[in-house]
Amino acid sequence: AAGVIQSPRHLIKEKRETATLKCYPIPRHDTVYWYQQGPGQDPQFLISFYEKMQSDKGSIPDRFSAQQFSDYHSELNMSSLELGDSALYFCASSATEKRPYEQYFGPGTRLTVT
Amino acid sequence: AQKITQTQPGMFVQEKEAVTLDCTYDTSDQSYGLFWYKQPSSGEMIFLIYQGSYDEQNATEGRYSLNFQKARKSANLVISASQLGDSAMYFCAMREVGSSNTGKLIFGQGTTLQVKP
Repeated sequence: AAGVIQSPRHLIKEKRETATLKCYPIPRHDTVYWYQQGPGQDPQFLISFYEKMQSDKGSIPDRFSAQQFSDYHSELNMSSLELGDSALYFCASSATEKRPYEQYFGPGTRLTVT
Repeated sequence: AQKITQTQPGMFVQEKEAVTLDCTYDTSDQSYGLFWYKQPSSGEMIFLIYQGSYDEQNATEGRYSLNFQKARKSANLVISASQLGDSAMYFCAMREVGSSNTGKLIFGQGTTLQVKP
């Protein structure tokens, strides 16, 4: 079965650089979520999109922005990177028309800021 | 505000034995969902089991079962017949339903499970 795809899997950036993380949800899933998991921490919700519109926003810094495109893939753009942005970034998707409760996670993008 | 609490930072279990991972939650919502995810050292988040607040029976998925006690606001994960591959971090999470129909997840702090041969 198709799963959530995230790219790149690993990313190394320097402080003050920008990064773009991509997420391809499971086909026919209409909701995408982004989570950030710092070292040794639990995942924290950043932002979500339902049918390409932003549906909820969590503790996402103003330096970050995200969008969902017409083909349902989503991108998380991160600017002026800081050391504290080093984390594992997950994208998850779900389908509200059936089993609206399960969120399927991608493998994550591990971002290291040096 | 909704909150998930996992009070066991680390647990050990002997291979083939059962283990219970604790999870308590706090919410004022009547409708909510509770999840357990497994995170191996490789980092991916693997969905294990789901319990809806209105589900009358405890959820089961293979060797995983969820001991749901609504009045006590607990949703403990029971893993039967532990295997070495069960060694991982386990997160309890709650689905928070906002003004939209989508529901972000709120996670507990996690419990690291180590299965001993």
